[in-house]
Amino acid sequence: DAGITQSPRHKVTETGTPVTLRCHQTENHRYMYWYRQDPGHGLRLIHYSYGVKDTDKGEVSDGYSVSRSKTEDFLLTLESATSSQTSVYFCAISEVGRADTGELFFGEGSRLTVL
Amino acid sequence: SQQGEEDPQALSIQEGENATMNCSYKTSINNLQWYRQNSGRGLVHLILIRSNEREKHSGRLRVTLDTSKKSSSLLITASRAADTASYFCATVKNTGGFKTIFGAGTRLFVKA
Repeated sequence: DAGITQSPRHKVTETGTPVTLRCHQTENHRYMYWYRQDPGHGLRLIHYSYGVKDTDKGEVSDGYSVSRSKTEDFLLTLESATSSQTSVYFCAISEVGRADTGELFFGEGSRLTVL
Repeated sequence: SQQGEEDPQALSIQEGENATMNCSYKTSINNLQWYRQNSGRGLVHLILIRSNEREKHSGRLRVTLDTSKKSSSLLITASRAADTASYFCATVKNTGGFKTIFGAGTRLFVKA
């Protein structure tokens, strides 16, 4: 299994509070992604990173920010959580671009509930 | 809107039958991939097909790609109860960085 660790795995928080989810990899892959998964929507890309300090927006980036200060860590922050951000969040990594393989390796997910 | 859209949304078949899932997308791509997700777990990569390929096989899986119709299909032959899962197509596009966009998925249920 690819070395991807998401933390926390479960979190319950209240509306208006800040939340940070962490993705840690031991594979030294260049690309890291944050997705959210909701019933009926599949996985939607929030933000992704193609290197340290290099990030870009995905399909549903409003209300989220990311940071990548080290190759191994990609942080997703909800500055002020809302109930619509209740979801399961998946981190993924990839070496896409080096060999045009593009295969993503996924973490086990972080379930966030915003009350 | 999402790049990939799967059809059907749900599929129920008997063990031993073949299962076919379709995916359509909207813009040009570098490659297309299929993933599987068991309940409560992360996604697992199944197979990748490049934009210049038309068909690819891996074990009981067969993937086709028609770039003129912007569509792909995943065929699982001789299905087993253990194939019960959700299946997602994903398209990879170079927009300066490589974005991987997923469809909403097909839920496959294989009855023993």
